[in-house]
Amino acid sequence: GESVGLHLPTLSVQEGDNSIINCAYSNSASDYFIWYKQESGKGPQFIIDIRSNMDKRQGQRVTVLLNKTVKHLSLQIAATQPGDSAVYFCAENRGNDMRFGAGTRLTVKP
Amino acid sequence: GAGVSQSPSNKVTEKGKDVELRCDPISGHTALYWYRQRLGQGLEFLIYFQGNSAPDKSGLPSDRFSAERTGESVSTLTIQRTQQEDSAVYLCASSLGRQGADTQYFGPGTRLTVL
Repeated sequence: GESVGLHLPTLSVQEGDNSIINCAYSNSASDYFIWYKQESGKGPQFIIDIRSNMDKRQGQRVTVLLNKTVKHLSLQIAATQPGDSAVYFCAENRGNDMRFGAGTRLTVKP
Repeated sequence: GAGVSQSPSNKVTEKGKDVELRCDPISGHTALYWYRQRLGQGLEFLIYFQGNSAPDKSGLPSDRFSAERTGESVSTLTIQRTQQEDSAVYLCASSLGRQGADTQYFGPGTRLTVL
């Protein structure tokens, strides 16, 4: 299985600013991607997904961008709020199952 | 039920003892995953069940770890002869098992502490 035993990269932003969280995926055949948010003491929760036939998808205050050429996924959060502080994981669909990236810890400063 | 449930929520055990963790997936979900998450770290894939197919055990770190699932219902993760490095949160997730677009829904996890 994948080894994700690394300490998480962190991103610190000021409240009200926009946040961009990046993820590099490994399998060029992956055709479906998800961003999850994990708050302290809780399991990951679905935020937004995107299929490989799209390069952008917008939700409420969140946008996911997909660049298949360089196998890169990003999550943009507009007007970041203190409640957005969490760990964010990207996941890629690999055939029959999903695999997760290492995650990024987002801290929002008041 | 409304979501994935796991029990116990917390487990403290002594080194060398066996522990069993339980996961109740969302009804109708054919796929079930177990992950390990050490403090401040990402998700480490352990095992994946899909319907009646042979499970993908490629993430199990040692032969002390095993998991079972009966049909498309409850799953148990067993850790034998626990070690201190087994201390972590163990997360279970389930999904519909659709190829190509399959969102996983997570339980709250079981926090395991091995003394």
